[in-house]
Amino acid sequence: NAGVTQTPKFRVLKTGQSMTLLCAQDMNHEYMYWYRQDPGMGLRLIHYSVGEGTTAKGEVPDGYNVSRLKKQNFLLGLESAAPSQTSVYFCASRNNLGTAYYAEAFFGQGTRLTVV
Amino acid sequence: AQSVSQHNHHVILSEAASLELGCNYSYGGTVNLFWYVQYPGQHLQLLLKYFSGDPLVKGIKGFEAEFIKSKFSFNLRKPSVQWSDTAEYFCAVGGGADGLTFGKGTHLIIQP
Repeated sequence: NAGVTQTPKFRVLKTGQSMTLLCAQDMNHEYMYWYRQDPGMGLRLIHYSVGEGTTAKGEVPDGYNVSRLKKQNFLLGLESAAPSQTSVYFCASRNNLGTAYYAEAFFGQGTRLTVV
Repeated sequence: AQSVSQHNHHVILSEAASLELGCNYSYGGTVNLFWYVQYPGQHLQLLLKYFSGDPLVKGIKGFEAEFIKSKFSFNLRKPSVQWSDTAEYFCAVGGGADGLTFGKGTHLIIQP
């Protein structure tokens, strides 16, 4: 049971290049999230998904796109990378247990992205 | 809109000192509160959580937190810290499907 796995762990991009970050979870969780972590800013939500085929914008969605074609995978895309997108990206997933209980979110190991 | 405020951005303590990290939140619905820890170079791990019931919750590694509704606070405490507690600590609030809202974090350094 691997939990939440992110690929790749490190990446350096040139301005204007594109890339896709992959998040895979093997816990059959309904909800999946992409956050970015920047020094002094905490974690900020980029996009999220409440189920296969659905996505929604978070707090800082600009410059990113996402897709959830399979329940276990949540992809984060950067179409044209900018230096402002240099950050550590974390994926998380959690179960949907209804409104009476807020299930714990499990996080991946993170992807450190540098845009030069 | 929900928000979380962590008062201390950097805290330096000696081993065996007591710890209290402040967290205040703003949230309109049923509140669910969390403390996560991030050790250097690692991902976030859950320390403890509060949903309802006893406002004093105990977590892993000797940490506890108290939910005070009237003060909108959820402070993290530990009676005696160890060098291995050096990490970044995040308070978070959540209530719906749209993920957790995190505070900006507190960087805790424990000196041997």
